[in-house]
Amino acid sequence: NAGVTQTPKFRVLKTGQSMTLLCAQDMNHEYMYWYRQDPGMGLRLIHYSVGEGTTAKGEVPDGYNVSRLKKQNFLLGLESAAPSQTSVYFCASSPAAGVNEQFFGPGTRLTVL
Amino acid sequence: GEDVEQSLFLSVREGDSSVINCTYTDSSSTYLYWYKQEPGAGLQLLTYIFSNMDMKQDQRLTVLLNKKDKHLSLRIADTQTGDSAIYFCAEARSLDDKIIFGKGTRLHILP
Repeated sequence: NAGVTQTPKFRVLKTGQSMTLLCAQDMNHEYMYWYRQDPGMGLRLIHYSVGEGTTAKGEVPDGYNVSRLKKQNFLLGLESAAPSQTSVYFCASSPAAGVNEQFFGPGTRLTVL
Repeated sequence: GEDVEQSLFLSVREGDSSVINCTYTDSSSTYLYWYKQEPGAGLQLLTYIFSNMDMKQDQRLTVLLNKKDKHLSLRIADTQTGDSAIYFCAEARSLDDKIIFGKGTRLHILP
């Protein structure tokens, strides 16, 4: 099992450009999450999904959109990138029941110039 | 308070015990977690404790839970250089079933 994978690992964008970050999991987990991690701010939840076809806003959703068309994939889109979106982005997944352990991907480091 | 609180830094000599403290927000949280993040990697679950327990021990790790004070601690015995990482406290909030993370404690090991 690959677990949770993220594509790409690194990206540099210019202000106003758009991009999509892809997260994939092969553990048949119901829940998936997108976080951003910034120095001194810890992890902040952007959007999450409790199942295929459903998404919900987290703590910092502005400037981002998500889609969960397939259970194994969770896409994070930036329509018009801003320097404030420079961050490390982590995807995670978890099963619907039990301990609710979250399994994290390796992260995507995004720089917006 | 609204946030999961933990100190940002801790320095410990190799071989000593490390104690990382956390206060959480929801007295009815079901699970409390400790995650570890090594440089350049995502978070990994280190250990967890169910809310009806006071203590959990797993090899060098000891988790203590004080529900009255909403205080959680992680003790790492015989701290080694490989323990150098950021440790995140988290709670499974019963209010909305969300996992709330603290800002992380960076553990630095002194030789």
